[in-house]
Amino acid sequence: EPEVTQTPSHQVTQMGQEVILRCVPISNHLYFYWYRQILGQKVEFLVSFYNNEISEKSEIFDDQFSVERPDGSNFTLKIRSTKLEDSAMYFCATSGSQAQNYYSNQPQHFGDGTRLSIL
Amino acid sequence: DAKTTQPPSMDCAEGRAANLPCNHSTISGNEYVYWYRQIHSQGPQYIIHGLKNNETNEMASLIITEDRKSSTLILPHATLRDTAVYYCIVRGHSGGGADGLTFGKGTHLIIQP
Repeated sequence: EPEVTQTPSHQVTQMGQEVILRCVPISNHLYFYWYRQILGQKVEFLVSFYNNEISEKSEIFDDQFSVERPDGSNFTLKIRSTKLEDSAMYFCATSGSQAQNYYSNQPQHFGDGTRLSIL
Repeated sequence: DAKTTQPPSMDCAEGRAANLPCNHSTISGNEYVYWYRQIHSQGPQYIIHGLKNNETNEMASLIITEDRKSSTLILPHATLRDTAVYYCIVRGHSGGGADGLTFGKGTHLIIQP
């Protein structure tokens, strides 16, 4: 079964540094998402991306964050000037197979996440 | 998206059916019910979803009441590997396929040997 792949599995970064998290979506999927989960807390939606632009974003997704799909395959989340409170698991998800006729009610499939630790 | 209510935890004996309830009394006509689970710190895993008809796949069955105000996820023969946090999520599609999922605290299902 196709999978969403995220790299690295664990990233340790000094506070104030920039970090880029990478995701390889399921082939032929059209919608891409980032979520985060702070230890012991709920999974929180950050942003969705479709047709090479942001479709929806939460209040968490401020100017510190950006997303792009630079090469048509990898989907990246960049966090600038990281803070201690950015420490969390970051999950990528994808949905909307082009093989299906109706995309919007298709389920999102998640990767196993990147654990980001800010020191 | 409509709010959901789930019990915080449940136990089930291995080999028995696990029935996980979810209340979504404010669900609107175009909102689907999705179920995901999260095993330890892995990514959420999609289980099943439905609009108003009961659904079944290789993992589980989803029973939605006629008024759509509640649903039950059924794992027919629970195994120890089914121990996880199970999330019931109601999701509309006003934004097309780009709507984010709103996770609650879910139900921590513990399968007992």
